Amino acid sequence: DAGITQSPRHKVTETGTPVTLRCHQTENHRYMYWYRQDPGHGLRLIHYSYGVKDTDKGEVSDGYSVSRSKTEDFLLTLESATSSQTSVYFCAISSPNSSGNTIYFGEGSWLTVV
Amino acid sequence: GESVGLHLPTLSVQEGDNSIINCAYSNSASDYFIWYKQESGKGPQFIIDIRSNMDKRQGQRVTVLLNKTVKHLSLQIAATQPGDSAVYFCAENLGTGGFKTIFGAGTRLFVKA
Repeated sequence: DAGITQSPRHKVTETGTPVTLRCHQTENHRYMYWYRQDPGHGLRLIHYSYGVKDTDKGEVSDGYSVSRSKTEDFLLTLESATSSQTSVYFCAISSPNSSGNTIYFGEGSWLTVV
Repeated sequence: GESVGLHLPTLSVQEGDNSIINCAYSNSASDYFIWYKQESGKGPQFIIDIRSNMDKRQGQRVTVLLNKTVKHLSLQIAATQPGDSAVYFCAENLGTGGFKTIFGAGTRLFVKA
C-alpha cells in the first residue's frame, strides 16, 4: 500500500463538461503520475509531477491539465470531456529502492463520458 | 512490453500447476524491470522486480527470469492458486525517473479449480 487515494472512484459525465480527478498521497513522495488504461493498450502516461508546481507532459497529454499545489495532492483536469476520454485513470507515485524507481498505483478512477 | 491487440493473451492453468507468463520488452537500454498483477476493478500491484545486471530473482512463489540477449522477461508462479487469477503485465524502465517506465498490455491468467 503506497498510501494513495483517488477520488472520485467512479464518475459519469457529459461531453463538454469539465472534470477533475484528485490524487492524494500520505507518504511525501516527490514524483506523482497520472496514467490512463484502455483495452489493448498498456498504461499510458498523461502527466507527471516532480515536485510542487513542477509538472511535465507524458505520452498522451492532449486534452488534460494537471496541478500540484501541495506535495500530497495531484489533480488531473479534463477541461472539456470527450467520449475518447472514457477510461480508467490511475494515479501513481514512484519510490526508489535498491533496484530502481518502482511505480506504485492507486485503485483507479473509472470515468465515463456520455 | 508485449504488443497485443484488443484482446489480451490468455493463459489457463490448473490449480496447483506452475504458470509461466512471458513478456517481450522493447528497449535494449532498459535497465530495470517490474511485474505487476492487476485484479478486476483494482489498481496494478507490484509483484517483483529485477535489474538488468541479474538474470533471475526469486520471491515468494514467484520467480522472474531476464534474458537480455533476446529482450525477454518471464514470470513464473509456483503452485498456482485461484487467487492468482488476474492480468499480469511487465514494465521496463529506461533510466532514472519513473516517467521513463513503459508498460506492456498484459496477459490474463485463468486458474481452473
